Amino acid sequence: DQQVKQNSPSLSVQEGRISILNCDYTNSMFDYFLWYKKYPAEGPTFLISISSIKDKNEDGRFTVFLNKSAKHLSLHIVPSQPGDSAVYFCAAIIRGGKLIFGQGTELSVKP
Amino acid sequence: DGGITQSPKYLFRKEGQNVTLSCEQNLNHDAMYWYRQDPGQGLRLIYYSQIVNDFQKGDIAEGYSVSREKKESFPLTVTSAQKNPTAFYLCASSIRSSRLLGGNTEAFFGQGTRLTVV
Repeated sequence: DQQVKQNSPSLSVQEGRISILNCDYTNSMFDYFLWYKKYPAEGPTFLISISSIKDKNEDGRFTVFLNKSAKHLSLHIVPSQPGDSAVYFCAAIIRGGKLIFGQGTELSVKP
Repeated sequence: DGGITQSPKYLFRKEGQNVTLSCEQNLNHDAMYWYRQDPGQGLRLIYYSQIVNDFQKGDIAEGYSVSREKKESFPLTVTSAQKNPTAFYLCASSIRSSRLLGGNTEAFFGQGTRLTVV
């Protein structure tokens, strides 16, 4: 049972345009959501997080939106840069419990 | 500098041998996690621990064992019972999630250990 799902395995975007990465979850008990960026053979690097009591969090070029009624969150990267090319994972935490990841979306930003 | 350290980065073992992967953090985090990543797949949770001397099975715990005798350390043993142990293993730590509501949080990852069983 996949509680955190990233249904798009890959995304290709032109440099300067917006990248939108999507994530769906099934468990309404999740109280925190996080986005990570990962390069091959390295550990994931934290990007941005959002509490379940908020619907938006912004940090520079990265904005995360949370729609609790739809159990959906998205990461917007504006403007996209070639250095953003990596695999992006969304993750969710249940208070006092697991940190669960989605399958990842490979973003390719073309010059 | 605070951080989370996994060692070694590369590990080779013969089939049938147990092997232990190290994970140490000096971030004073309560929670620690072990994940496995296989080519083309996401991060699958093996074990996690929210507090010293306590740990819980994740989604793919079979063939693995852990201990949490100290807050800073969460070693993972890949036993001979694990049918397909060759993978990239990642350790992470975070503030205990019960303290998170309303504040910022993140989980820090180590650089990973690539285990190859031959």
